[in-house]
Amino acid sequence: AQSVAQPEDQVNVAEGNPLTVKCTYSVSGNPYLFWYVQYPNRGLQFLLKYITGDNLVKGSYGFEAEFNKSQTSFHLKKPSALVSDSALYFCAVSRAGDDKIIFGKGTRLHILP
Amino acid sequence: EPEVTQTPSHQVTQMGQEVILRCVPISNHLYFYWYRQILGQKVEFLVSFYNNEISEKSEIFDDQFSVERPDGSNFTLKIRSTKLEDSAMYFCASSPGTGNSGANVLTFGAGSRLTVL
Repeated sequence: AQSVAQPEDQVNVAEGNPLTVKCTYSVSGNPYLFWYVQYPNRGLQFLLKYITGDNLVKGSYGFEAEFNKSQTSFHLKKPSALVSDSALYFCAVSRAGDDKIIFGKGTRLHILP
Repeated sequence: EPEVTQTPSHQVTQMGQEVILRCVPISNHLYFYWYRQILGQKVEFLVSFYNNEISEKSEIFDDQFSVERPDGSNFTLKIRSTKLEDSAMYFCASSPGTGNSGANVLTFGAGSRLTVL
């Protein structure tokens, strides 16, 4: 069975500073990894994915994430945070080719002006 | 941009009543999902649906839950006899496919908030 851990309930970052939101996963076989963002009273929106290839993947709104197989991690990063990045961020994993996608509990990102 | 639409946006029901939540997925998508989120927290997988049948379901998706795609466009979640703990935001999602081509990139609807009294 697959699982996702997001160890931080909330991350506070000053505007303009780099941000990191942590995610580790557990899955048998090759993982497909995803990040989604949720704004208040909205559904989740896809940010980026890792399927295969380069470990560093780039996504929407200047976000990127690095796949680290040895540490089973897929941390979300952005070089310079914006106040508008404040939202709830979810990491997700599926086993390659499976339909079932499991989400982490979410990390609330708060960017301080 | 294509979107997943869900109705109703909010439903209040009495414990023990049946509820049907409706979703219209993106038209060329092949995989359909229901998730639920309690109090803005963890997003929990309920069920996935492909080729007119359930492909995966979680332990939450017990006999009181069912899904249906009655007319090729709508995708419904039925809760037969609601309980207080079914109160949550229910999200429908769809995907064009699995594997490298679609890699299960989900497009979510805005959600249906269910309140069970």
